[in-house]
Amino acid sequence: GAVVSQHPSWVICKSGTSVKIECRSLDFQATTMFWYRQFPKQSLMLMATSNEGSKATYEQGVEKDKFLINHASLTLSTLTVTSAHPEDSSFYICSARGNSGANVLTFGAGSRLTVL
Amino acid sequence: AQSVTQLDSQVPVFEEAPVELRCNYSSSVSVYLFWYVQYPNQGLQLLLKYLSGSTLVKGINGFEAEFNKSQTSFHLRKPSVHISDTAEYFCAVIRKGGSQGNLIFGKGTKLSVKP
Repeated sequence: GAVVSQHPSWVICKSGTSVKIECRSLDFQATTMFWYRQFPKQSLMLMATSNEGSKATYEQGVEKDKFLINHASLTLSTLTVTSAHPEDSSFYICSARGNSGANVLTFGAGSRLTVL
Repeated sequence: AQSVTQLDSQVPVFEEAPVELRCNYSSSVSVYLFWYVQYPNQGLQLLLKYLSGSTLVKGINGFEAEFNKSQTSFHLRKPSVHISDTAEYFCAVIRKGGSQGNLIFGKGTKLSVKP
């Protein structure tokens, strides 16, 4: 089945630094990937849609200059949290459409970011 | 716009007991419905989905859900739970024809199975 891998699974960084999270589709090509953010005890909120070879589409209220998304190939999308602050601490999850049928997304295992 | 309501934030249950996790949705257009499970510090795993056809949908790990259009519900059930079912469960909808990324999630129900 379709597998989506995220790396790192957890990261701790100092305030003001930038952190890059990778999302890879391991056994299929994904022209579109999605990035979500999950706060504690909350549901997932779509941040942006990552399109291979073009600019990402950001949801309302998401700062595109803070959350840089690059979809350089059909199997890799990256999310860079720039100049991270403690309020950026969260669980970030990516997803992509796998090959298990229409309208079914495969999710990565998530990346937990803690900004000190 | 669509919305999803999971009425129970936490459901404690004893092992081998039946469980029902409730999900109601609101939408002015036809939707697809999903249940996902999230184990601690992991991403989401698809349990089951309703796209069309039979309203009773069977998923993995012995779970099933029934789509009730008149009540706009998609409750998740399992006749006998195991300790390993302890996790958070999310109901989600997407309008037919909508962008796949625009899954609308409920706030989740934390299922705790006790011995």
